[in-house]
Amino acid sequence: DTAVSQTPKYLVTQMGNDKSIKCEQNLGHDTMYWYKQDSKKFLKIMFSYNNKELIINETVPNRFSPKSPDKAHLNLHINSLELGDSAVYFCASSQGWGEDFRGWANVLTFGAGSRLTVL
Amino acid sequence: AQSVTQLGSHVSVSEGALVLLRCNYSSSVPPYLFWYVQYPNQGLQLLLKYTTGATLVKGINGFEAEFKKSETSFHLTKPSAHMSDAAEYFCAVSTFGGYQKVTFGIGTKLQVIP
Repeated sequence: DTAVSQTPKYLVTQMGNDKSIKCEQNLGHDTMYWYKQDSKKFLKIMFSYNNKELIINETVPNRFSPKSPDKAHLNLHINSLELGDSAVYFCASSQGWGEDFRGWANVLTFGAGSRLTVL
Repeated sequence: AQSVTQLGSHVSVSEGALVLLRCNYSSSVPPYLFWYVQYPNQGLQLLLKYTTGATLVKGINGFEAEFKKSETSFHLTKPSAHMSDAAEYFCAVSTFGGYQKVTFGIGTKLQVIP
């Protein structure tokens, strides 16, 4: 199946630990994203990579470090986890950028989410 | 800068009734507008989008939305609600060109009452 898949789906950990979430897309998209959805369902972009290059880096604590080994993968590593990091983290991808895409460049395909709970 | 305002964090309708979810946007340049739906414990999926051309756009599951530039609105409608429409709906905006972000509204939870 063509999709955006992320692992793990659930992650429960203690404050101060380090954890990673992995994301892979087999859609052939050039651009990948990490979004954070808080308890009130508000979605906020964290990072975006285009062909392994970081293009969007919102105001996110530097405890969060994305890595894109290739354009099909985007991982998120979080150091020294805090209670406020508890959220659902969504990976997404899109076709890319440019006028040829007529807006499809901005259409996001989301993964199912990774629910992080920090105790 | 761009932003989206969704009026009503919770909307309840009876099964078979009209669904109307409101979205107003702010953008300094012509916007691209989207509606996404999120079912419980799932990721978001695209319902419909407006880029250019026809201002009334049709999406999946019988939903449609109309871009009204004069009102800076992009309201989502469906003539007859089904129980399966119960979900969270997000309006989003982006613009053309360069590395543009997609900015989401706070979401509207649709409850369908049997």
